[in-house]
Amino acid sequence: GQNIDQPTEMTATEGAIVQINCTYQTSGFNGLFWYQQHAGEAPTFLSYNVLDGLEEKGRFSSFLSRSKGYSYLLLKELQMKDSASYLCAVSPGDYQLIWGAGTKLIIKP
Amino acid sequence: IAGITQAPTSQILAAGRRMTLRCTQDMRHNAMYWYRQDLGLGLRLIHYSNTAGTTGKGEVPDGYSVSRANTDDFPLTLASAVPSQTSVYFCASSDSNSGDAGELFFGEGSRLTVL
Repeated sequence: GQNIDQPTEMTATEGAIVQINCTYQTSGFNGLFWYQQHAGEAPTFLSYNVLDGLEEKGRFSSFLSRSKGYSYLLLKELQMKDSASYLCAVSPGDYQLIWGAGTKLIIKP
Repeated sequence: IAGITQAPTSQILAAGRRMTLRCTQDMRHNAMYWYRQDLGLGLRLIHYSNTAGTTGKGEVPDGYSVSRANTDDFPLTLASAVPSQTSVYFCASSDSNSGDAGELFFGEGSRLTVL
């Protein structure tokens, strides 16, 4: 079967760094996405990885290892507005995405 | 630019009633999707459409139908609603021609409660 695992909830302190992990097992691989979803709102795109390595975009970075079926999202200089759920999703290559259940990130002052 | 518009935003529905959730996009994206999101579960794909005139079944299609008469509109119909269809429904679109999902743009969601 196809499966994506990520922690249910994480807590971090304002100004700190947090790493959210995602492991996946899918029938194919055509890229991995990270989305941010604030409570009561729609998901919004954060990053896309299709090759191994680190993609940096401001305070957010995303890493991919295809051989290990593993990705992480790194958030630096955490701000209160970063409190949200972070969704990991994999494209197996058929116009569909397989989604993880999401990681709820709680930022404390 | 509106992006994707969903209606209604919220609805309470009696079991057995028919309901259509509307979705319209103005980005001319070829692919459109309907997802449901339930607490503790990931987004689950109900139906999708790669291009106008074609539709496909996702992970949880039973009890739902869709149509794609044109590029912009992708309505989702519950023929006879049941309480297990209580959920938040998201419509999404992507501008992907390569066979993968591409970056998805989501509507604001429709919160449906079936009693």
